[in-house]
Amino acid sequence: DTGVSQDPRHKITKRGQNVTFRCDPISEHNRLYWYRQTLGQGPEFLTYFQNEAQLEKSRLLSDRFSAERPKGSFSTLEIQRTEQGDSAMYLCASSFSKEQYFGPGTRLTVT
Amino acid sequence: AQRVTQPEKLLSVFKGAPVELKCNYSYSGSPELFWYVQYSRQRLQLLLRHISRESIKGFTADLNKGETSFHLKKPFAQEEDSAMYYCALLANSNSGYALNFGKGTSLLVTP
Repeated sequence: DTGVSQDPRHKITKRGQNVTFRCDPISEHNRLYWYRQTLGQGPEFLTYFQNEAQLEKSRLLSDRFSAERPKGSFSTLEIQRTEQGDSAMYLCASSFSKEQYFGPGTRLTVT
Repeated sequence: AQRVTQPEKLLSVFKGAPVELKCNYSYSGSPELFWYVQYSRQRLQLLLRHISRESIKGFTADLNKGETSFHLKKPFAQEEDSAMYYCALLANSNSGYALNFGKGTSLLVTP
């Protein structure tokens, strides 16, 4: 296990298309987080799972965003009808305690 | 409201000089603070956690509740310390320990 992995690393899409990102956490971690990071900003919390339950969603997560963690292992983040403002780095993190371990991120560019 | 402020976007120091990266927070409860570092082309990684009170790579950070600060310090900067540094506050309750990040400070150590 080499840590948290994310796929794809880069995604370019046209406005209005749907995109889906995947995150594979560290195997024994029961908590999984999604963050978004735009240029010049720190990561911003989007949503959180404990096992398969999605327990919290940020107000940043509009109705076009949906996340799942069906078996309490990997997670997917889908953005429907992408907008240019969705262009950002999407980070996944996992934890067993309070220390979070981050993946490399998926950079989304919406043209 | 929870907020993390890193007042400096960029900090440039000479090799061997002391360095202090500032972080101030606002939080109504008992804060739990972290420093994360991101080296060029690498993922975000945990550097320090205030509860552990340890020194990592020569860096230390002390929580000052009176000044609501958690500044990161190193007595003698090295070129390999050049990176982006983020201060983060742990948000409890429903967020399952989601992190609230500052905007980051880019540290440049020049020879």
